Amino acid sequence: AQKVTQAQTEISVVEKEDVTLDCVYETRDTTYYLFWYKQPPSGELVFLIRRNSFDEQNEISGRYSWNFQKSTSSFNFTITASQVVDSAVYFCALSRYVAGNKLTFGGGTRVLVKP
Amino acid sequence: GAVVSQHPSRVICKSGTSVKIECRSLDFQATTMFWYRQFPKQSLMLMATSNEGSKATYEQGVEKDKFLINHASLTLSTLTVTSAHPEDSSFYICSAQTRASNEAFFGQGTRLTVV
Repeated sequence: AQKVTQAQTEISVVEKEDVTLDCVYETRDTTYYLFWYKQPPSGELVFLIRRNSFDEQNEISGRYSWNFQKSTSSFNFTITASQVVDSAVYFCALSRYVAGNKLTFGGGTRVLVKP
Repeated sequence: GAVVSQHPSRVICKSGTSVKIECRSLDFQATTMFWYRQFPKQSLMLMATSNEGSKATYEQGVEKDKFLINHASLTLSTLTVTSAHPEDSSFYICSAQTRASNEAFFGQGTRLTVV
């Protein structure tokens, strides 16, 4: 069985602060995919990143960065210099490497960025 | 990225009536579609997986006679909530995937309110 844990339910920061969202996963598979999605108040899911388990390189995209540590089964997400528009719920998710497979979501972390 | 259109975005219905939600892949053929449900302030939970031309596979605890899923073509899947009750009020969101990819393309979601 697969499981994703996001221990932080809510994080509140002041604009321009950095914020790191934790994600820990469990899987018996040796190959798998990890994802992060953003869900603004409107409800739609905005895709942020997909990482396969072969690639442990950290990734940076603008103010977003991801730290994948296979040894600790973690895939953490950092927003640098946060902005009010970053306020949303962020979900970490896991899927098997098989094409067309379902996502298992973590509980989500609500980020509130105050001006 | 590929576009998945979900309709309607919001619906209010009376208790006891049925509601149909459509999920269309606009520019690709979706061999697999997934239906998720999200209660307020909770995570997304998979309800069922549907493959084109075959019966949907439901997750444990999801009533297949209440949540009817049809995936009659490679671009359209529908979820019908039959005899809806207030406890069915939730955010329903679909995702579509091709056979070759593990990238999940999500619809915009449908907020169902049963009064």
